[in-house]
Amino acid sequence: AQSVTQLDSHVSVSEGTPVLLRCNYSSSYSPSLFWYVQHPNKGLQLLLKYTSAATLVKGINGFEAEFKKSETSFHLTKPSAHMSDAAEYFCVVSDQGYGGSQGNLIFGKGTKLSVKP
Amino acid sequence: DGGITQSPKYLFRKEGQNVTLSCEQNLNHDAMYWYRQDPGQGLRLIYYSQIVNDFQKGDIAEGYSVSREKKESFPLTVTSAQKNPTAFYLCASSEVLYGYTFGSGTRLTVV
Repeated sequence: AQSVTQLDSHVSVSEGTPVLLRCNYSSSYSPSLFWYVQHPNKGLQLLLKYTSAATLVKGINGFEAEFKKSETSFHLTKPSAHMSDAAEYFCVVSDQGYGGSQGNLIFGKGTKLSVKP
Repeated sequence: DGGITQSPKYLFRKEGQNVTLSCEQNLNHDAMYWYRQDPGQGLRLIYYSQIVNDFQKGDIAEGYSVSREKKESFPLTVTSAQKNPTAFYLCASSEVLYGYTFGSGTRLTVV
């Protein structure tokens, strides 16, 4: 079975400093991995996704993530935090689809990012 | 613009009442999903539907029911059997080539 562990429930950084949000996954086959962002009382927005192409994935708003199979990790990074990055971030793995359909998403418990001025 | 519309944004329910949350999409996606979000829990799958007139239970289906009579619509009913319904509910749709699209959510509160 697939699972996702987000290692930090809360991360606090100062504006202009790097962001690192950690995610480890468990999967019995090559997974599809995603990072989503959620601002308060809003839906989820896709930041980036990995689907067995390049291991370094670039997303929106300057975020990127690196798929490391040997470490079963998919950490999210950004070189310089902005106040608008304050939100909750979810690491997600897609389970195996069937009959050609897309698999269901399995969510980590989320990491709340705070950005201090 | 294509997207998913959830209504209402806020919903209050008295104990013992059934309530229905609306989810409509104009993306022509085949699959639709309902998730429940609680603080510190991430999102948990309630029900999903891959095609019209078919749906499957997710991880926490007890106390909920759905229907999929039209491709565009996937309403969720929170029944009186759901003992702790206060939560944020998110609807999503997906297509293999385009991935998932999420609605903006409905916050349900039991009063």
